[in-house]
Amino acid sequence: EVQLVESGGGLVQPGGSLRLSCTVSGFTVLSNYMSWFRQAPGKGLEWVSVIYSGDGGSTSYADSVKGRFTISRDYSKNTLNLQMNSLRVEDTAVYYCARDLITDANDYWGQGTLVTVSS
Amino acid sequence: AIRMTQSPSSFSASTGDRVTVTCRASQDINGYVAWYQQKPGKAPKLLIYAASRLQSGVPSRFSGSGSGTDFTLTISYLQSEDFATYYCQQYYTYPRTFGQGTKLDIK
Repeated sequence: EVQLVESGGGLVQPGGSLRLSCTVSGFTVLSNYMSWFRQAPGKGLEWVSVIYSGDGGSTSYADSVKGRFTISRDYSKNTLNLQMNSLRVEDTAVYYCARDLITDANDYWGQGTLVTVSS
Repeated sequence: AIRMTQSPSSFSASTGDRVTVTCRASQDINGYVAWYQQKPGKAPKLLIYAASRLQSGVPSRFSGSGSGTDFTLTISYLQSEDFATYYCQQYYTYPRTFGQGTKLDIK
């Protein structure tokens, strides 16, 4: 059975940092494109970042997070990570990880983890 | 970034109704459009990909159509569990972008 479980969310002050993790079972993170999405309270869905499959693991980021967020993988734990630095109030959202299929969109999603940036 | 314009933003309907949601992309996306259903407090659920392909396990009352820049999600016979918010998404290129959502509620 495929399962994605996010963790690491919480309350942080503006300018602070958080590291989100997405623990995957049922498929290998290394062999798949993996994305992070987010959804601010009462708002729509926003794509945040992607890491490509394979050892190279090229990455791409939304302009809103470029230079502040870093996506990565831990092969041994089969997890996807999102290091978030210089957090802003507008980064407050539920963050979702999802498998990203080139031809078949995002078929598996985690349940989400809430990040609140507030003083 | 490719803009996805979705309409309507909200809609009231009754069980048994046929409902259509539309999405227009700001450029040709070669059929790389997906539709998701989201219920409060839950993750999005993939319904349709490649404009018209039904994701495994999704009821056949859901269907998608369209090409070029214009796409449609149709629910042929609304069931009580279908009242939710629906999003279109283009996955032709990064950044992936979504329509603003259509909230479907009970009339």
